[in-house]
Amino acid sequence: ILNVEQSPQSLHVQEGDSTNFTCSFPSSNFYALHWYRWETAKSPEALFVMTLNGDEKKKGRISATLNTKEGYSYLYIKGSQPEDSATYLCASGGFKTIFGAGTRLFVKA
Amino acid sequence: DTAVSQTPKYLVTQMGNDKSIKCEQNLGHDTMYWYKQDSKKFLKIMFSYNNKELIINETVPNRFSPKSPDKAHLNLHINSLELGDSAVYFCASSQDRPSGSPDTQYFGPGTRLTVL
Repeated sequence: ILNVEQSPQSLHVQEGDSTNFTCSFPSSNFYALHWYRWETAKSPEALFVMTLNGDEKKKGRISATLNTKEGYSYLYIKGSQPEDSATYLCASGGFKTIFGAGTRLFVKA
Repeated sequence: DTAVSQTPKYLVTQMGNDKSIKCEQNLGHDTMYWYKQDSKKFLKIMFSYNNKELIINETVPNRFSPKSPDKAHLNLHINSLELGDSAVYFCASSQDRPSGSPDTQYFGPGTRLTVL
């Protein structure tokens, strides 16, 4: 059984701050690592999927890295904006995808 | 155009009833999923179907029965509803990667089930 852990559980930052979150997962039988953004009262939206050790993905101010050997991924947000406030989920696995509990980000203007 | 749709969006029913939630995706994806968002807001996988075949069944009570009439649909039927079944249920779909593992999942809007 996979255990996907995310930290911190929640984060309060000021507009303009840069921030990062951690996702850890078992490195054995690795298929893929996904990051999703989940706004309140909506459904999760995909940010990145990474499959290879050392993968780095970027979308605007958001980027992610992957280390499959040690079983962790980082998500970075540069210059946080209030509209970045959401829960950021990571998930690992193939057809049996295991989600972490998420990091709840609050960005204050 | 809605990529993954679920109906109904809200469902309020009495304990003991039988109900169904429907999910449809128009993305041409090979795999569909049902998740339950529990009281702690965790997303927990219930079922995965790949090309209409059940491949993951995560120790869900057999009162829950998924049915996939075709690749674009995965419906969830729940018998003898219990209070603890109250939750938000999300449907999702994904395309298979060349390696065979699934790619990014696209989620439906969720169905909020309330059992009284």
